[in-house]
Amino acid sequence: EAGVAQSPRYKIIEKRQSVAFWCNPISGHATLYWYQQILGQGPKLLIQFQNNGVVDDSQLPKDRFSAERLKGVDSTLKIQPAKLEDSAVYLCASSLVGGLADTQYFGPGTRLTVL
Amino acid sequence: GIQVEQSPPDLILQEGANSTLRCNFSDSVNNLQWFHQNPWGQLINLFYIPSGTKQNGRLSATTVATERYSLLYISSSQTTDSGVYFCAVEHQGEDKLVFGAGTILRVKS
Repeated sequence: EAGVAQSPRYKIIEKRQSVAFWCNPISGHATLYWYQQILGQGPKLLIQFQNNGVVDDSQLPKDRFSAERLKGVDSTLKIQPAKLEDSAVYLCASSLVGGLADTQYFGPGTRLTVL
Repeated sequence: GIQVEQSPPDLILQEGANSTLRCNFSDSVNNLQWFHQNPWGQLINLFYIPSGTKQNGRLSATTVATERYSLLYISSSQTTDSGVYFCAVEHQGEDKLVFGAGTILRVKS
């Protein structure tokens, strides 16, 4: 079974530029998550999708971040314009149905550096 | 929101030693999970353990929900155990995992 795929693995941009990350979850997984992990901290949930609907985006900075999951499969996360404090690893995870006991499987992450 | 505190922040072990990692949380939870993030950044789920005790090989975990803490035991540590161990909880009434800051473990050969 293929795992969660993410691209690119690394990205360096200057502040005020735009950037997009892509995630392809495990086949058949209904729930998809985007996390932000700043160096030295645990991951923080940005947005959770159930199929192609948003379940939770309460911690997504909506003035600059956007995410979509068209057709309920892969997803893109966009930052426009980027700030220095957006430097972090962006992790995508998926789970079969979501919910309390459902295991989340994480991708390798995209490391973003904003100069 | 709920607070999740992990201790110690940093731990260095000689290969073969045992260790205990602790996770304290500030309120009642529906869900508690332990994760391992390897030195290459890959995050792997170790245990789903909202209460009780579970074991998987050299790893075991215990959660005492009434006292709001969980422990992760690593026995006979190996260099491949190195990385960051995270505790994550799901606060009652919310549907998302909140992660602690992690414990950095280094196992020396």
